[in-house]
Amino acid sequence: LAKTTQPISMDSYEGQEVNITCSHNNIATNDYITWYQQFPSQGPRFIIQGYKTKVTNEVASLFIPADRKSSTLSLPRVSLSDTAVYYCLVGSYSGAGSYQLTFGKGTKLSVIP
Amino acid sequence: DGGITQSPKYLFRKEGQNVTLSCEQNLNHDAMYWYRQDPGQGLRLIYYSQIVNDFQKGDIAEGYSVSREKKESFPLTVTSAQKNPTAFYLCATADATNEKLFFGSGTQLSVL
Repeated sequence: LAKTTQPISMDSYEGQEVNITCSHNNIATNDYITWYQQFPSQGPRFIIQGYKTKVTNEVASLFIPADRKSSTLSLPRVSLSDTAVYYCLVGSYSGAGSYQLTFGKGTKLSVIP
Repeated sequence: DGGITQSPKYLFRKEGQNVTLSCEQNLNHDAMYWYRQDPGQGLRLIYYSQIVNDFQKGDIAEGYSVSREKKESFPLTVTSAQKNPTAFYLCATADATNEKLFFGSGTQLSVL
């Protein structure tokens, strides 16, 4: 199964750019990389998704190197409201051959005033 | 999220009791997932279904059961065999690419 590895926690001051890297060494050829944000007692919320190179939307950028074994979520100029847990997600096939989406442990980002 | 409804928001279970958590979606997505989240921990996959009348065990299926009789519904039953059921339960659907998840607002289950 494809597994993801992220730092457990990160701290940042308001207004700084934050980069969170995820390792996914066993990513399959046709898998996308998706990042989610979760606040306490809420379901995760989609942030950004990419397959290769760079993707940018109104809230974040996602950088994926050519080998696709890692990805980096970049949050520009974070604010206190960005304090949350961030997960990267890649799909994998179970032993029974069915496709499933399994989360890693996530990165807890704390933004400091 | 708007197209996925989980109920109830809070649920209490007595010892030896089975309880069922509801998950309904109007997004017309084929794939549906159940995750469990313990305090301060990540999401762990319980069961998932890629299509009606079919479902697969995830990483922590013991003590749980599901059904998928309709595309819109994927209820999760926490059986008495689950000895530590207190957790936050999240239901999700996946879009046609099967790569993007949409989550409900969750059900907090506690043991009396």
